[in-house]
Amino acid sequence: QKEVEQNSGPLSVPEGAIASLNCTYSDRGSQSFFWYRQYSGKSPELIMFIYSNGDKEDGRFTAQLNKASQYVSLLIRDSQPSDSATYLCAVRNQGGKLIFGQGTELSVKP
Amino acid sequence: ETGVTQSPTHLIKTRGQQVTLRCSSQSGHNTVSWHQQALGQGPQFIFQYYREEENGRGNFPPRFSGLQFPNYSSELNVNALELDDSALYLCASGGATYNEQFFGPGTRLTVL
Repeated sequence: QKEVEQNSGPLSVPEGAIASLNCTYSDRGSQSFFWYRQYSGKSPELIMFIYSNGDKEDGRFTAQLNKASQYVSLLIRDSQPSDSATYLCAVRNQGGKLIFGQGTELSVKP
Repeated sequence: ETGVTQSPTHLIKTRGQQVTLRCSSQSGHNTVSWHQQALGQGPQFIFQYYREEENGRGNFPPRFSGLQFPNYSSELNVNALELDDSALYLCASGGATYNEQFFGPGTRLTVL
């Protein structure tokens, strides 16, 4: 079992829809959770982080964390073609290491 | 702009050679981590440093080594290069809270 797992996609949504990206992790002692966006040929760009159970909103983005279920998600409201990218879930585990999932490719169709 | 820079941008080496990659972090960023990203994969954690001490290492062999310097710069050294070492190498830096980690643009290493 991988330490951080994501569906590789591609996930395709129409413009204006809500995109839902999911991530599970195996280390129950994990401390903080991150969502990064990576455009092709570029380095990852931090979208947001969360470390408490519940929701955290920033503009069109909402991160949700459920530590009991070891699950973290990212919702993108009013998706735009410019949101088309690979979304990486990363977890700071109990040992302090930043572990990434394999990424979910999102395609927003005009 | 994250304030994190890396050099060189691209590098071509041959199998068996050694390489040094460099990263310069923002002032005040005491933590730096290095990651290897193969094509189509997520970044793989190599190691991280906090205040010039290594404090975490992933599943990489000892020929991957690093240093962090007091001026917020760091190095990744790879000895005895193998073909599978071809990848994008990313450094990320952040403050002591371990929350926000910002990536540099990466160094694309090709081993022939």
